[in-house]
Amino acid sequence: NAGVTQTPKFQVLKTGQSMTLQCAQDMNHNSMYWYRQDPGMGLRLIYYSASEGTTDKGEVPNGYNVSRLNKREFSLRLESAAPSQTSVYFCASSDPLPSGNTIYFGEGSWLTVV
Amino acid sequence: SQQGEEDPQALSIQEGENATMNCSYKTSINNLQWYRQNSGRGLVHLILIRSNEREKHSGRLRVTLDTSKKSSSLLITASRAADTASYFCATDEGGYNFNKFYFGSGTKLNVKP
Repeated sequence: NAGVTQTPKFQVLKTGQSMTLQCAQDMNHNSMYWYRQDPGMGLRLIYYSASEGTTDKGEVPNGYNVSRLNKREFSLRLESAAPSQTSVYFCASSDPLPSGNTIYFGEGSWLTVV
Repeated sequence: SQQGEEDPQALSIQEGENATMNCSYKTSINNLQWYRQNSGRGLVHLILIRSNEREKHSGRLRVTLDTSKKSSSLLITASRAADTASYFCATDEGGYNFNKFYFGSGTKLNVKP
């Protein structure tokens, strides 16, 4: 199983450009997440989706939009990138059953906004 | 927010020693989880402890949970150089928000050979 797959792995954007980070999971999980991690920091929740068709804001949603396209896929869009959005982005998924809400992470997407 | 806080921020020990890191959180929870992150990689799940559990073991890992103090500790016994990583606790918001997780800022563990 691939688990959680996110693309692209690296991206450089100019200020004001837009882009979408893609994420897919093959574990049939209901819940999916987008986190950002700044250097030397913990993860901060941007948006999450408790189930297909629902999304909700996390701690730092400003400047981002999300789409839960189907049960497998959850994308994160930066409409007008800013240098403050330079970060590593992690997609994740979880489900109460059978893994007891263990969160499975993708390998991260390194985004630099210049 | 519910975001947990790990303590200490950094820990340096010799191989073979035990490493203890702590996590405090703010509101009631359904469960608390510990994760490990190697440099430049995603987070990997280590152990989950439910709010009605006080202690849990997995290999060289021992986790305790004190819901009255809203705190947890992770003990790694007989540490190895390969345990060098950052360790994070994750908590939910309790109640029906069992699938909304917050992470602390992590403890960076360095195990010297």
